[in-house]
Amino acid sequence: KQEVTQIPAALSVPEGENLVLNCSFTDSAIYNLQWFRQDPGKGLTSLLLIQSSQREQTSGRLNASLDKSSGRSTLYIAASQPGDSATYLCAAVGGSSNTGKLIFGQGTTLQVKP
Amino acid sequence: GAGVSQSPSNKVTEKGKDVELRCDPISGHTALYWYRQSLGQGLEFLIYFQGNSAPDKSGLPSDRFSAERTGGSVSTLTIQRTQQEDSAVYLCASSLEGNRGQHFGDGTRLSIL
Repeated sequence: KQEVTQIPAALSVPEGENLVLNCSFTDSAIYNLQWFRQDPGKGLTSLLLIQSSQREQTSGRLNASLDKSSGRSTLYIAASQPGDSATYLCAAVGGSSNTGKLIFGQGTTLQVKP
Repeated sequence: GAGVSQSPSNKVTEKGKDVELRCDPISGHTALYWYRQSLGQGLEFLIYFQGNSAPDKSGLPSDRFSAERTGGSVSTLTIQRTQQEDSAVYLCASSLEGNRGQHFGDGTRLSIL
């Protein structure tokens, strides 16, 4: 059974700092992994989707990597801004899944201080 | 373009009542998912639709929960005889097909008194 874990649960950094959020999964046979952002009282905004054949994806100041052999993914945020403050969730689709259902981690709540 | 739309955004009801939650997916998305987000359990999968069929209902917590999808578009999640433990945010997502990136609505916050 796939389990997804995110560490740390919360993180506070000063504006401008580069930071890394960690996600680990127990079953390396994943189909893809998706990173989301959730603002309070809102739904999930998709940030990056990494297919199992890919090692990383980039969008602006965000870079996500995937290492299936070690069961890990990281989300790198460059030059953090107060507007980046939110909860970040990673979710994996199991390799045996033909439905695409996502298994979520518990999230990392990020606060970027001005 | 329009994203995933859910209604109502908030619902407060008494224990024992039935509730219906609605999801309008992105036009053309054949796959539709329902998830539940609660404080103690995080985000959990409930049910998956491909077109109007639900090949995976494995996440529905009890037989009080049911869902349908019509016209390959709108979906309704129904909870009968609501209990306090049903209080949560119910999120809907859609994608072009299964195993593709999912797009989420803002959710329905359900509170059972």
